[in-house]
Amino acid sequence: GAVVSQHPSRVICKSGTSVKIECRSLDFQATTMFWYRQFPKKSLMLMATSNEGSKATYEQGVEKDKFLINHASLTLSTLTVTSAHPEDSSFYICSARDSLRAGNSPLHFGNGTRLTVT
Amino acid sequence: SQKIEQNSEALNIQEGKTATLTCNYTNYSPAYLQWYRQDPGRGPVFLLLIRENEKEKRKERLKVTFDTTLKQSLFHITASQPADSATYLCALDNSWGKLQFGAGTQVVVTP
Repeated sequence: GAVVSQHPSRVICKSGTSVKIECRSLDFQATTMFWYRQFPKKSLMLMATSNEGSKATYEQGVEKDKFLINHASLTLSTLTVTSAHPEDSSFYICSARDSLRAGNSPLHFGNGTRLTVT
Repeated sequence: SQKIEQNSEALNIQEGKTATLTCNYTNYSPAYLQWYRQDPGRGPVFLLLIRENEKEKRKERLKVTFDTTLKQSLFHITASQPADSATYLCALDNSWGKLQFGAGTQVVVTP
């Protein structure tokens, strides 16, 4: 089945530093990938839509300069949390949809990245 | 505004019984609805998709119903097993074609 690999699974960084999270579709191509953020016992909150070869589109209230997204190929999207602060600590999850399938096909998720900013 | 509501209280159920979860939505006109399973510290895993013209969908021990008049979907796990313990999320496409999730309902199946 379709696999999305997300790395790292956990990262601890100091306040003010930047952290890059990678999301790869391993056996399918993904023109579009999605980045979510999840707080404990809360729903996944869509942060942005990553589009291969073009700029990402961000949801209302998400700072694009804070959360930099790059989607340089059909199988890789990266999220960089810049100048991280403790309030950025969260669980970040990427997902992708197979480009060859219909728009209503299921999303395939990575296993998430637990970011802790100290 | 668009809302997806799932019961926030954990559902504790004995092994072998049927677990029934509810997903209610407002201000959506979805063409389909999806259910996912999420284990602690992991990403969601797709389970089932049901279209607006389908009343019911089954996959092994799982059954989903979709009532667009009531704006509700029910998710059933029959003959539940401890391995079914997880959080179950329903999801809908919002007005802009992006998948939005409910907060999920935790299911705990005890032997």
